[in-house]
Amino acid sequence: DSGVTQTPKHLITATGQRVTLRCSPRSGDLSVYWYQQSLDQGLQFLIQYYNGEERAKGNILERFSAQQFPDLHSELNLSSLELGDSALYFCASSLGQFVNTGELFFGEGSRLTVL
Amino acid sequence: QQPVQSPQAVILREGEDAVINCSSSKALYSVHWYRQKHGEAPVFLMILLKGGEQKGHEKISASFNEKKQQSSLYLTASQLSYSGTYFCGTERNAGGTSYGKLTFGQGTILTVHP
Repeated sequence: DSGVTQTPKHLITATGQRVTLRCSPRSGDLSVYWYQQSLDQGLQFLIQYYNGEERAKGNILERFSAQQFPDLHSELNLSSLELGDSALYFCASSLGQFVNTGELFFGEGSRLTVL
Repeated sequence: QQPVQSPQAVILREGEDAVINCSSSKALYSVHWYRQKHGEAPVFLMILLKGGEQKGHEKISASFNEKKQQSSLYLTASQLSYSGTYFCGTERNAGGTSYGKLTFGQGTILTVHP
């Protein structure tokens, strides 16, 4: 158990819909990262927040948005869903703002299926 | 820029050794290695920060050649528990500082048989 909690574990929805994925980082960790894992794309970095502020941005679509709240939990919002958005979405957390200062602790992921 | 890992897959017998390579076309600030077992989350193995640095973790070690923008993961005397997908993550070097993004390669599937 990494200490990172993600909900829901599984989500099935239809194209065009909007979903919210939630992540609670390990106690004490200030950074939250979102990654998308699909079979053909591997682990794709989406975005990082540190202590409530956006720290780094990856290949995140405009239809996707994220935020980190004062209690440090984070939410990833996916809208106008397409079939290609079906993937496993991982949240990870770390203590510092720089990714090279320590390991990332990954949650178990939220599996999104878009029908 | 996604790093390139090779080979894509490796099949070993227990006790055999393996090397997984990771290369980038861009200057690197750090290289990270993670292992993901089927149906589970990726788990951290190690970070390498300096050129030529080698780190070890049990019977798993890695090197980082900053000049060649390459890293290699060495698994010696493999055990059944080593099976999984190994990902290298790279952090680009922007004039001595980091871009701040950890970009993972496609992964190398390692299977260890008894």
